[in-house]
Amino acid sequence: SAVISQKPSRDICQRGTSLTIQCQVDSQVTMMFWYRQQPGQSLTLIATANQGSEATYESGFVIDKFPISRPNLTFSTLTVSNMSPEDSSIYLCSVEGVAGGIQETQYFGPGTRLLVL
Amino acid sequence: DAKTTQPPSMDCAEGRAANLPCNHSTISGNEYVYWYRQIHSQGPQYIIHGLKNNETNEMASLIITEDRKSSTLILPHATLRDTAVYYCIVRVGNDYKLSFGAGTTVTVRA
Repeated sequence: SAVISQKPSRDICQRGTSLTIQCQVDSQVTMMFWYRQQPGQSLTLIATANQGSEATYESGFVIDKFPISRPNLTFSTLTVSNMSPEDSSIYLCSVEGVAGGIQETQYFGPGTRLLVL
Repeated sequence: DAKTTQPPSMDCAEGRAANLPCNHSTISGNEYVYWYRQIHSQGPQYIIHGLKNNETNEMASLIITEDRKSSTLILPHATLRDTAVYYCIVRVGNDYKLSFGAGTTVTVRA
């Protein structure tokens, strides 16, 4: 499987500010995704990061709140905008279509732990 | 995607096999069964997946019933490091969406 890293690993932010989370993969991948895991909850898909075009958002998530970029096949960013305490979560990047990996299988990064005060 | 049902928690003895059940009675013919686990404060880790045949890899075995309405993940020799939340997910083969339920919190005890 690919090695997936996320930056920052954790952060504490003030409400009203924005935070950009980076996801870097050590090999080219077909698909990249962003998930949110609220405290004590399971994972929820936010969006699919599409290379060279706008991300595809799931119901309940909008581009103005969670802008996403994917400039190439190994990198993506998720921005959490105008944060409120309700945005305190773990944000996870996942990838699929790893060369040499098990196809139709997603691999997850370590996550970014965000606390909004 | 079909819904899955898992027990909320299980205790297992270290060194013994851990058998984790999952019900997916509405599974369709083109849906796979995937298992992931999430160790505290880490991202989910892929374990295994299968369509209808039993599967085995270095981490675990997956036993799928003949009618495909349920499956069991087997950790052959549980260790303390296997303590985690285990998620059973049903997914259409060419659909990227993973729907995570509440999973089973497995605690391995010495």
